[in-house]
Amino acid sequence: KAGVTQTPRYLIKTRGQQVTLSCSPISGHRSVSWYQQTPGQGLQFLFEYFSETQRNKGNFPGRFSGRQFSNSRSEMNVSTLELGDSALYLCASSFPGTSGGPSPDTQYFGPGTRLTVL
Amino acid sequence: QQPVQSPQAVILREGEDAVINCSSSKALYSVHWYRQKHGEAPVFLMILLKGGEQKGHEKISASFNEKKQQSSLYLTASQLSYSGTYFCGTVRPMDSNYQLIWGAGTKLIIKP
Repeated sequence: KAGVTQTPRYLIKTRGQQVTLSCSPISGHRSVSWYQQTPGQGLQFLFEYFSETQRNKGNFPGRFSGRQFSNSRSEMNVSTLELGDSALYLCASSFPGTSGGPSPDTQYFGPGTRLTVL
Repeated sequence: QQPVQSPQAVILREGEDAVINCSSSKALYSVHWYRQKHGEAPVFLMILLKGGEQKGHEKISASFNEKKQQSSLYLTASQLSYSGTYFCGTVRPMDSNYQLIWGAGTKLIIKP
């Protein structure tokens, strides 16, 4: 089975621009979560989509948005980029019922998109 | 609300043992452990559920102390391949949809 893929892998933007990142989950996985990873803050949860609906949301400003399509592929959009948005953006997909309990299931991470804002 | 991982970093010689702790001030339902090697995506290691048993993965095992709201990851006879940053993710019963809250990570360096 192919793993989680993310495009593009690297991106350089300037302040004020907007960016769209894409994530294709493992076939059969319906949940996609997005994370921001920075050296100082670690993994910060952005949001989770399940069956085209946002199921969970982290504490990020409204400039960060996402969506999920019927084929479970997901996109994340950041508008009006700021220097502090420079980070590695990871997406992870999961298949329901793998945790053995009412708990988040195993997350399969993609390689990430390295975003640099100048 | 973010779980606290300790130590922040540890350097070992190949063959030595290590313990990484993940503590929360709130009651937990489950603890998830992942490892991220440099330049790679995080990879799942194991989940510990409240009331569950200690789990193992090769020479890596973990426990979950419900009274202390703490999980410990044990790496025995460490190998060079164990190097990386270990993250714990915690879930509290009251969180809607059981959202994962991640620790800041523990960097493990194994030297030959």
